[in-house]
Amino acid sequence: DAGVIQSPRHEVTEMGQEVTLRCKPISGHNSLFWYRQTMMRGLELLIYFNNNVPIDDSGMPEDRFSAKMPNASFSTLKIQPSEPRDSAVYFCASSLDRGRTEAFFGQGTRLTVV
Amino acid sequence: GDSVTQMEGPVTLSEEAFLTINCTYTATGYPSLFWYVQYPGEGLQLLLKATKADDKGSNKGFEATYRKETTSFHLEKGSVQVSDSAVYFCALSVFTGANNLFFGTGTRLTVIP
Repeated sequence: DAGVIQSPRHEVTEMGQEVTLRCKPISGHNSLFWYRQTMMRGLELLIYFNNNVPIDDSGMPEDRFSAKMPNASFSTLKIQPSEPRDSAVYFCASSLDRGRTEAFFGQGTRLTVV
Repeated sequence: GDSVTQMEGPVTLSEEAFLTINCTYTATGYPSLFWYVQYPGEGLQLLLKATKADDKGSNKGFEATYRKETTSFHLEKGSVQVSDSAVYFCALSVFTGANNLFFGTGTRLTVIP
């Protein structure tokens, strides 16, 4: 398996634009996590899905952020409109839901909003 | 609630020094415990894990023992190398109908020659 695949690896956009980050989890995994990492706040859980259903989205910063998982092999994180303070590295991770198992991370998307 | 507290960084050591990074946890039920490592510009990678009390996880010379009595999972290595410079995250996984994962804040380790 190729592991968790995220795209794009880097994104530079202007303030106010819509940004969509994509994630393909490991085949067969049924939990998917979106994290944001910054120097100031470290690693923050934004949302996680189980069997394509959002279980906990309490980490989503505000209504400008939305996440979807239309099927078991694809998820998106959208920011609309984007702001400079959204600049961060966004990670997607997936795990096999057999209980208490480790998550596998993608390489991340480095987002810069100017 | 479930959470992980790990040693604040940064940590700077000379090559071949002994490393300890402390991690304690709070959890309902019986969590699995993990250490992840993040090298510059990369995602997090699983370094080692332990799934029950008294288990010892080990990999690449690193070790950590699941201590239920002290709710700890400290990371150790007897002799660090420059290539071990990275950020280390302690994490726990609990199953509450769905798999959930909680991370510590990370500890940056720099090893100097």
